[in-house]
Amino acid sequence: DAGVIQSPRHEVTEMGQEVTLRCKPISGHDYLFWYRQTMMRGLELLIYFNNNVPIDDSGMPEDRFSAKMPNASFSTLKIQPSEPRDSAVYFCASKHRDRSFGELFFGEGSRLTVL
Amino acid sequence: GESVGLHLPTLSVQEGDNSIINCAYSNSASDYFIWYKQESGKGPQFIIDIRSNMDKRQGQRVTVLLNKTVKHLSLQIAATQPGDSAVYFCAEKGGGNKLTFGTGTQLKVEL
Repeated sequence: DAGVIQSPRHEVTEMGQEVTLRCKPISGHDYLFWYRQTMMRGLELLIYFNNNVPIDDSGMPEDRFSAKMPNASFSTLKIQPSEPRDSAVYFCASKHRDRSFGELFFGEGSRLTVL
Repeated sequence: GESVGLHLPTLSVQEGDNSIINCAYSNSASDYFIWYKQESGKGPQFIIDIRSNMDKRQGQRVTVLLNKTVKHLSLQIAATQPGDSAVYFCAEKGGGNKLTFGTGTQLKVEL
């Protein structure tokens, strides 16, 4: 079975550029989460969706970050304009409604470097 | 300025020995706890969870112990194998639907 699919796996960009990260959750999963991981701050929840609707975006750092889920099989996380402090690994995770709260399935992440 | 990365605590064990990874949590209102494993270059992987009305839960080769009195969680891995080498994170769920992750422990299995 295909897991959570993220693209790109690696992105190097310059400060001020727009970055779009993409995620395809596991088919049938109702929840989708975007996390950010850095050495300094660990894993942080940015936003999560239930049935394509954003439920909690309080972890989104600032207005430069936005996330969408136009349908059940696709989500994007956009950073515009990007800054060096946005450099991190961004993970997408999905969960089925019948599974325990913590039974998240993570993708392999998108490593973003902003120069 | 120069950024300083965190150095993860490291646990080194011999192959075949049992491993115990510890985690202190901060929120006494947390009612659900999870352990994840993260291999290099991959996303975290769910291992086992436990609710606050339990103090022990067993899975395949893993056991999670919860001590609410001292807000302590541990993960025991029996007969540790090279494939267990990874970073292990505990996470807690407090109010709302958010997980708070710990900083992680690096487990190294020596042959």
